[in-house]
Amino acid sequence: QQPVQSPQAVILREGEDAVINCSSSKALYSVHWYRQKHGEAPVFLMILLKGGEQKGHEKISASFNEKKQQSSLYLTASQLSYSGTYFCGTDTQAGTALIFGKGTTLSVSS
Amino acid sequence: NAGVMQNPRHLVRRRGQEARLRCSPMKGHSHVYWYRQLPEEGLKFMVYLQKENIIDESGMPKERFSAEFPKEGPSILRIQQVVRGDSAAYFCASSPRDRAGYEQYFGPGTRLTVT
Repeated sequence: QQPVQSPQAVILREGEDAVINCSSSKALYSVHWYRQKHGEAPVFLMILLKGGEQKGHEKISASFNEKKQQSSLYLTASQLSYSGTYFCGTDTQAGTALIFGKGTTLSVSS
Repeated sequence: NAGVMQNPRHLVRRRGQEARLRCSPMKGHSHVYWYRQLPEEGLKFMVYLQKENIIDESGMPKERFSAEFPKEGPSILRIQQVVRGDSAAYFCASSPRDRAGYEQYFGPGTRLTVT
C-alpha cells in the first residue's frame, strides 16, 4: 500500500525549516528518503530501519516512529539546493519491494 | 567510482516497435531494480533482479514487458509492441546487498517516448 506524504508542497525562503512526513497503514520494516530534481535521477538521502538504525547524509536528519508507522524528514536552515521533490519509499519486510509515496515538492527561494 | 549507467538516455519508438533499455549497476553491486515514473508522479516498482535471477517481478505488467540480468553485461528491460501509455521515464537502481537496509543508487534514467 502506497505511503502517504504530507504536505504535498512546501514553499520556503532560504534559512527556513521544513518537515516532510511519510505515513503508512502497515507495519514497516524500513523507510527510505530520496530527493529528485526535475529531469534528474532520485538521490539517496537516508534509510531508517525498524529497531532504530539509520544511515544517511550527515546534514540530513529524520525520525521513524515505529508505533505510528510514520517517518519525518527534517530540513533545517534550507538552501536553494534543497529544492526538489522528496519521496519516501517503504517496505514491510526484508526483501520486499519499495513502495514510494507521491512526493513532496519543496521550493526554496532567496 | 562510476555510478549507475543507463542507456540510451532518450528513446523514441513508434507504436508496435520494441524498446530495449540497458542498465549497468555500480561496480560491486549485484542487485538491480527497475522503476517507472510517469510525469508528475512517483516511482513505481517494476522488477528486482540479481545476476541471472528474477527475485520479484510483482510490479511488472504481465504482457509485453520482460527483464533480465545476465551473468555478463548489463540488465535489460525489454518492452515489446510499445503503446503510447508506455511513454515514461524508466529508472534503474542498484544496491550492494539485499535492499533491506541498503540504499539504492539510481541511474539517470531512460526517457521513452512512443509516437
